[in-house]
Amino acid sequence: QVQLHESGPGLVKPSETLSLTCTVSGASISRITDCWAWIRQPPGQGLEWIGNVYYSRSTSLNPSLKSRVSMSADMSKKQFSLRLSYVTAADTAVYFCARVQDLEERHMYYMDVWGKGKTVVVSS
Amino acid sequence: SSELTQDPDVSVALGQTVRITCRGDSLRTYYATWYQQKAGQAPILVIYGKNSRPSGIPDRFSGSSSGNTATLTITGAQAEDDGDYYCNSRDSRGIYVIFGGGTKLTVL
Repeated sequence: QVQLHESGPGLVKPSETLSLTCTVSGASISRITDCWAWIRQPPGQGLEWIGNVYYSRSTSLNPSLKSRVSMSADMSKKQFSLRLSYVTAADTAVYFCARVQDLEERHMYYMDVWGKGKTVVVSS
Repeated sequence: SSELTQDPDVSVALGQTVRITCRGDSLRTYYATWYQQKAGQAPILVIYGKNSRPSGIPDRFSGSSSGNTATLTITGAQAEDDGDYYCNSRDSRGIYVIFGGGTKLTVL
């Protein structure tokens, strides 16, 4: 059974960098079809896609966050990571990682396994 | 277009059928995916593709699509179906990923 677990600081100061790691268990992250995503949800609001990281280590990022976001993957540790720089209070949210099935040729994109989420508060 | 539009609130009487819609230009090309989220929990996948359900999702959940509108139908809504429902797809150009604003379903 595939499980994902987000970890990292729950409190980040304004203007600093938020760093989170997602650890995958029960599955490989080194198959050529593998794709993993970060999504966030501010308090009382909806879901916002942050970006995808692929087996090739290429990334696709939300244009509204692109200038502040980087994502990476460490296949040997079965982990992928998110870094969001220059955070403000608006970045306070629950951050989720998810496994993605990105089937472009079948016009399908879905996230079939989610982590429980990590609450990150931006405050001094 | 980079938007998916959902009605914010929908209610249904226990045991009745409810339809939750998602509208967007990207849905003319991409299938909508549907997630259910209960308070304080992570979303779970309920419908993907043309009308596929992951293992463990009851068959009262179904999906359909016409033009720029995708519909999640719950036939015989149960109390445990109460929660927020989000649709998701790629954008029209297939570059980015977008979510609808979510629909809060209340089972009366």
